[in-house]
Amino acid sequence: AQSVTQPDIHITVSEGASLELRCNYSYGATPYLFWYVQSPGQGLQLLLKYFSGDTLVQGIKGFEAEFKRSQSSFNLRKPSVHWSDAAEYFCAVAAGGGGSQGNLIFGKGTKLSVKP
Amino acid sequence: DTGVSQNPRHKITKRGQNVTFRCDPISEHNRLYWYRQTLGQGPEFLTYFQNEAQLEKSRLLSDRFSAERPKGSFSTLEIQRTEQGDSAMYLCASSQIRQPSRDTQYFGPGTRLTVL
Repeated sequence: AQSVTQPDIHITVSEGASLELRCNYSYGATPYLFWYVQSPGQGLQLLLKYFSGDTLVQGIKGFEAEFKRSQSSFNLRKPSVHWSDAAEYFCAVAAGGGGSQGNLIFGKGTKLSVKP
Repeated sequence: DTGVSQNPRHKITKRGQNVTFRCDPISEHNRLYWYRQTLGQGPEFLTYFQNEAQLEKSRLLSDRFSAERPKGSFSTLEIQRTEQGDSAMYLCASSQIRQPSRDTQYFGPGTRLTVL
């Protein structure tokens, strides 16, 4: 069965420092992968997605993620973190893949705190 | 594009009462998903519709839960005889399965249910 693992429950970084959030997935075929961000009490905002092609994908708010098939990973990165990036981040894989994905399977999330 | 909207944003009810939530998707999105998110967890899939047809239901969706999407527009999620374990954030997402979107899901702000 498909699954997503986010090994870090909570990460604290200083403002201006670089960030990498880890995501590992289990999926039998070529996955469709996503990162979402959730502020407290809010819904999820799509940061970026990977379907195929270039393994380095750019998203909103200066985020990027790299798909590494050999490591079954899709880590999220940002070169310089801003205080407004403090939130919870979720990695997800589409259950269906292909042309019609169906539901998403989410990791448990990583909470990001930013020190001034 | 006004985004996905959900009402109410918050609902407090007593155990045993029935509750109903509404989701209005992004216009022209033909798929609509429901997820449940409990504290410290990622969203978990409940059910989804393509137009007015309910295509898949999770085993999490007990017989106390029912969802509808009349005319393929807005959707309602009803929980009968609520239990304290139903306390959670209920998230709705919509998508367009045609290219280039490929079923990328956009989430609403959620409905926070508290069962006393």
